Amino acid sequence: SAVISQKPSRDICQRGTSLTIQCQVDSQVTMMFWYRQQPGQSLTLIATANQGSEATYESGFVIDKFPISRPNLTFSTLTVSNMSPEDSSIYLCSVVVGLSYEQYFGPGTRLTVT
Amino acid sequence: GENVEQHPSTLSVQEGDSAVIKCTYSDSASNYFPWYKQELGKRPQLIIDIRSNVGEKKDQRIAVTLNKTAKHFSLHITETQPEDSAVYFCAARKTSYDKVIFGPGTSLSVIP
Repeated sequence: SAVISQKPSRDICQRGTSLTIQCQVDSQVTMMFWYRQQPGQSLTLIATANQGSEATYESGFVIDKFPISRPNLTFSTLTVSNMSPEDSSIYLCSVVVGLSYEQYFGPGTRLTVT
Repeated sequence: GENVEQHPSTLSVQEGDSAVIKCTYSDSASNYFPWYKQELGKRPQLIIDIRSNVGEKKDQRIAVTLNKTAKHFSLHITETQPEDSAVYFCAARKTSYDKVIFGPGTSLSVIP
């Protein structure tokens, strides 16, 4: 497994502003993903964070709204841009270590937009 | 693309009884099926998984079965305890480089 940390753990933001969430892993990972989980809902994949190249976004998510960086094998950021109350959610970083199939989640960032 | 369905959406059992959660998937190329447990306010945690070359896997009180022909897989929890109360998500993926597709979740309540 891997130890995954996220910052911040929670934040309350004003409409129209942006927030950058950081994900740090204690070991090199092959795959990093960003998910969103709205209250009482399942996990929705936003994008796959690719090291050194543009992220791969899922349908319904765009780079201008959710820019992602992954400068190395242990770190990634997700920015939620021009926020609206509909962006209030928990954002989770997730990783796959090595060539295993097992995928682990960070503790999440609880975002509230007012 | 892959679609994972999960039933029931809510499940309530008496402590000590068994609980079964069932999932179906649409993409026959999927060959890895993990189960996650998410307690309130916490991150999803991987509790058990199964690969397509195995029909059943057991770990203490939990077991998972897979029927590749029917594209069904199930989670079985025996001798349930109050601490088993959580939301359980099934999922499917094709290779270690593919994304995991999650089911909608089952909220399990174990009544003491």
